[in-house]
Amino acid sequence: GESVGLHLPTLSVQEGDNSIINCAYSNSASDYFIWYKQESGKGPQFIIDIRSNMDKRQGQRVTVLLNKTVKHLSLQIAATQPGDSAVYFCAEKRSGGYNKLIFGAGTRLAVHP
Amino acid sequence: KAGVTQTPRYLIKTRGQQVTLSCSPISGHRSVSWYQQTPGQGLQFLFEYFSETQRNKGNFPGRFSGRQFSNSRSEMNVSTLELGDSALYLCASSPNAGGTDTQYFGPGTRLTVL
Repeated sequence: GESVGLHLPTLSVQEGDNSIINCAYSNSASDYFIWYKQESGKGPQFIIDIRSNMDKRQGQRVTVLLNKTVKHLSLQIAATQPGDSAVYFCAEKRSGGYNKLIFGAGTRLAVHP
Repeated sequence: KAGVTQTPRYLIKTRGQQVTLSCSPISGHRSVSWYQQTPGQGLQFLFEYFSETQRNKGNFPGRFSGRQFSNSRSEMNVSTLELGDSALYLCASSPNAGGTDTQYFGPGTRLTVL
């Protein structure tokens, strides 16, 4: 498949380890944040979201943390599996506005057996 | 429910030509947004349509345009193609405009301009 980004930062982890992917967002007015996973040759797939009135939200094997003070978002993946290998994007938007998502540059996660 | 579908999946055009890409949203979704993805610029918002009206537009030249039909299907058009228009064009749909509705993406159309 085509590469999503040729020079993305890469996080390499061993299968079974926990992964933490970080993202700095830009707009103080953003109040809704989303993590997407993109595998080669596919469109972004929704993973988890969080609103600005929360600082933590958990899903299945994933946790998103939001620090509004420093405009930082992180995605934690527990017990990382080979199928988690992909590019991960954070996205921000203003919930009261339009459906315009502002995406981060992305991080490539490589899971090694 | 079927996901977001985009046609064609791959397209090769030459400079100066024009191209039309199509997007069918998830059934019941009324908002369709378009994004351009390139290795250099990442994912960038093009425009959003809701109820056949363009509600928001990204920072792209007027060569990029779109429309939405009464069944919520959307098309985007790029005229006078340039080499830099080579990209993956992604369509996303959500139930409504704004708010915190999840946007679901299609597989994209890979456009190559020669």
